[in-house]
Amino acid sequence: DTAVSQTPKYLVTQMGNDKSIKCEQNLGHDTMYWYKQDSKKFLKIMFSYNNKELIINETVPNRFSPKSPDKAHLNLHINSLELGDSAVYFCASSLSQGSGNTIYFGEGSWLTVV
Amino acid sequence: AQSVTQPDIHITVSEGASLELRCNYSYGATPYLFWYVQSPGQGLQLLLKYFSGDTLVQGIKGFEAEFKRSQSSFNLRKPSVHWSDAAEYFCAVAPPWGGNTPLVFGKGTRLSVIA
Repeated sequence: DTAVSQTPKYLVTQMGNDKSIKCEQNLGHDTMYWYKQDSKKFLKIMFSYNNKELIINETVPNRFSPKSPDKAHLNLHINSLELGDSAVYFCASSLSQGSGNTIYFGEGSWLTVV
Repeated sequence: AQSVTQPDIHITVSEGASLELRCNYSYGATPYLFWYVQSPGQGLQLLLKYFSGDTLVQGIKGFEAEFKRSQSSFNLRKPSVHWSDAAEYFCAVAPPWGGNTPLVFGKGTRLSVIA
């Protein structure tokens, strides 16, 4: 059983399009995250939600809009895609928002903008 | 600001040889410390973590890590590497006082295993 699942795994799209990546966790966790991994494998947090409430919003273009309909889901919508948005996007979750909580990652969504 | 450094971008070891991956952190206090592994095309999996107590931490897949306060280090080790260990390894830190500060990752070390 997949704990943190995200879809699609691979996405190739043209510049200017709008796309969404969905994420669901079945661990009963309160906190969910989106991380971005660039071409050099560097991982950086984008957003964090706790019980559907936004708690971390790093410096991310407002073309990126997370949405959490319930605490088990955190979707990422991206408007007007740009070449530089090409990356791997990881959804993750943890039991709660405290920094000592182990973060569990999904398998990633490989986004290629052409 | 907190930071974590993995000095080695790429390491190659022979199968059966021992392995040590380095991680150094810069923090005002001893942070929570983590090692994650990312196999090709996969997500990140937690290998082990250190919060307090015994400075030698055992993890999954035969890995261990040792926290050394004097060196601000948390190096990952494995006595005998298997070909399936080839992956990207990430050290990460989080502040010990809780709060919403996100996990900060090092830039990763890519491990190649040769026969």
